[in-house]
Amino acid sequence: AQSVAQPEDQVNVAEGNPLTVKCTYSVSGNPYLFWYVQYPNRGLQFLLKYITGDNLVKGSYGFEAEFNKSQTSFHLKKPSALVSDSALYFCAVRVEYSSASKIIFGSGTRLSIRP
Amino acid sequence: NAGVTQTPKFQVLKTGQSMTLQCAQDMNHEYMSWYRQDPGMGLRLIHYSVGAGITDQGEVPNGYNVSRSTTEDFPLRLLSAAPSQTSVYFCASSYSGLSNTGELFFGEGSRLTVL
Repeated sequence: AQSVAQPEDQVNVAEGNPLTVKCTYSVSGNPYLFWYVQYPNRGLQFLLKYITGDNLVKGSYGFEAEFNKSQTSFHLKKPSALVSDSALYFCAVRVEYSSASKIIFGSGTRLSIRP
Repeated sequence: NAGVTQTPKFQVLKTGQSMTLQCAQDMNHEYMSWYRQDPGMGLRLIHYSVGAGITDQGEVPNGYNVSRSTTEDFPLRLLSAAPSQTSVYFCASSYSGLSNTGELFFGEGSRLTVL
């Protein structure tokens, strides 16, 4: 089955340290991958996407993500975490069906940055 | 810039009542979708549409109906509300239509409680 998984419910990082939020996927064909962020009581906001090309994708707010085809992963990273990065992060993947494509989301990872 | 507008923001229903969650976007996006967000389960796709007059089911369509008579509007109807439909509902749109390689733009969400 086509799916996306976020193995960690929560990630805790000290401010200034690097952070990684993990995502793995299972899709047929070439994967189209996305990261979104959700702040409290808000809708999701797009951070970055991988369609093709460079395996390292840069996005908003200093975030980047590394696509690894052999490990079927798309981990979100930031070299130096800020307290304001604390939020809920979702990985998403486009999946193909007979009539159209859909975007499905992982279960989310809560990122907590301590001062 | 209005973007994606959802109404109402909050709603309380009794079991068996029906209601419609409204979603409108002013970006001329082809693709529109409805998700529900539940703790620990991330976002699950309910229904989606790749253009006016075209709708299809997502992961959890039971108990919900949609229609797409215009490009701008994509209402979600609950036919007979059940407590299991207590959730936060998000409408999202994208410019990419069938190919769906574009990012999703989300509304602010509608919090529904079914007693």
